[in-house]
Amino acid sequence: EDKVVQSPLSLVVHEGDTVTLNCSYEVTNFRSLLWYKQEKKAPTFLFMLTSSGIEKKSGRLSSILDKKELFSILNITATQTGDSAIYLCAVDILNFGNEKLTFGTGTRLTIIP
Amino acid sequence: DAMVIQNPRYQVTQFGKPVTLSCSQTLNHNVMYWYQQKSSQAPKLLFHYYDKDFNNEADTPDNFQSRRPNTSFCFLDIRSPGLGDAAMYLCATSRGYSGFYNEQFFGPGTRLTVL
Repeated sequence: EDKVVQSPLSLVVHEGDTVTLNCSYEVTNFRSLLWYKQEKKAPTFLFMLTSSGIEKKSGRLSSILDKKELFSILNITATQTGDSAIYLCAVDILNFGNEKLTFGTGTRLTIIP
Repeated sequence: DAMVIQNPRYQVTQFGKPVTLSCSQTLNHNVMYWYQQKSSQAPKLLFHYYDKDFNNEADTPDNFQSRRPNTSFCFLDIRSPGLGDAAMYLCATSRGYSGFYNEQFFGPGTRLTVL
C-alpha cells in the first residue's frame, strides 16, 4: 500500500525561527513529490520535485528531495505569522496506468508573534 | 482570472437526501478531480476524469457518482448522504498527468453538513 508520512504532526514556533518539515514515502511508481500550503481553504501549490538533490526555492521557502532515502524536506526561514497553516506533502504515482496524488496527513504549523 | 470555482461553498442536507456539488474551471484543463477531506485528515481522492474518461478509486463508495458534461464542468452526486459523508469536498484540475502538467489547481471547496 502506498504511504506518505509527514512529521511532525504539529509544530509551534516563534516568529523569526526557522522550521524544517519532513515527508517520507513508500510508494510504487514514483513520479514526483509536491508540497502544498493549506489555510482555511483549499491547498495552494508550493513546489514540485522530481529530481534528487536539486533545491527548489521561493522566497523564504525551499525544498529538496532525496529519492534514495525516500524523503523530502520543506524549510521555512525567518517565519512570519502568515506562514501559519497546514503543510501537505503529496506523492504523484502511476497507478494502473493512471496518475494520482497520495497525500500525507499534513503538518500543522503555528507561528507565535 | 482563470480559476476553479465550486458551488455552493456551504451545503446542508438531510440524512438520505440526494445532493449535487458543482465544479467549474476556466483553465481549460483536461483533468478534473474530486477529493473528500475530513477534519484533520489528508484529502482523499474519490475519482477523476481525463476528458470524458472516468477513473474511479477502488475504495470510493457507490453512493458517490460523478458527471462531466463538458470540459468546464464536473459534478459530484451523493445519492443518499450519511452522517459520515460530512466533509469538505475539493475539486481540482490539472493539464494532464505527466510531470509539470500534473500540478493541480484546487477550488475553494464545498463544506457539506449532513443533519
